[in-house]
Amino acid sequence: AQSVTQLGSHVSVSEGALVLLRCNYSSSVPPYLFWYVQYPNQGLQLLLKYTSAATLVKGINGFEAEFKKSETSFHLTKPSAHMSDAAEYFCAVITPSKDALNFGKGTSLLVTP
Amino acid sequence: EPEVTQTPSHQVTQMGQEVILRCVPISNHLYFYWYRQILGQKVEFLVSFYNNEISEKSEIFDDQFSVERPDGSNFTLKIRSTKLEDSAMYFCASRGEVLANTEAFFGQGTRLTVV
Repeated sequence: AQSVTQLGSHVSVSEGALVLLRCNYSSSVPPYLFWYVQYPNQGLQLLLKYTSAATLVKGINGFEAEFKKSETSFHLTKPSAHMSDAAEYFCAVITPSKDALNFGKGTSLLVTP
Repeated sequence: EPEVTQTPSHQVTQMGQEVILRCVPISNHLYFYWYRQILGQKVEFLVSFYNNEISEKSEIFDDQFSVERPDGSNFTLKIRSTKLEDSAMYFCASRGEVLANTEAFFGQGTRLTVV
């Protein structure tokens, strides 16, 4: 079965600093991987997805993630944090034989001035 | 931009009562889902629905739960006799295609509190 693990339930960065949110996956078949963001009082919004094309995926709001098979990782990064990036971030995995996303526990990103 | 809408945003119910959570998926989508997130835990898959029947369900989705698409626009989740442990945020989602690499669009969620 496929699963993801997000390291760090809370991450705090200064405005302008690098954002790095970690996600490792476990899958017996090539996975499709997603990052979703949840702003306060809103639903889950797709940031980006990996679907076996390019290993470096660019998403919305300046975020990107790199699929590394050797490390079974799909970490989310952003070069310079903005106050508006404060939110909950979820990594998720799905495999072609399934019709359900498996989510990580989420990482709450705090951006300080 | 089309979106998934859920009502109500917050529902408080007494233990043992029936509750219906409502969702309006994106209009041309065919695949519908319910997920839940207990406070402090991860988002968990409950059920997927296509062509008026359940296509997959998790262990969480027991006989107390049911889903329905009563008309051409609504997709509902019913919990027949709520328990305290059903308190959670419930998310509805829809997809236009079942391909694994297509995006699922999520609603804002319904926070269910069972007292």
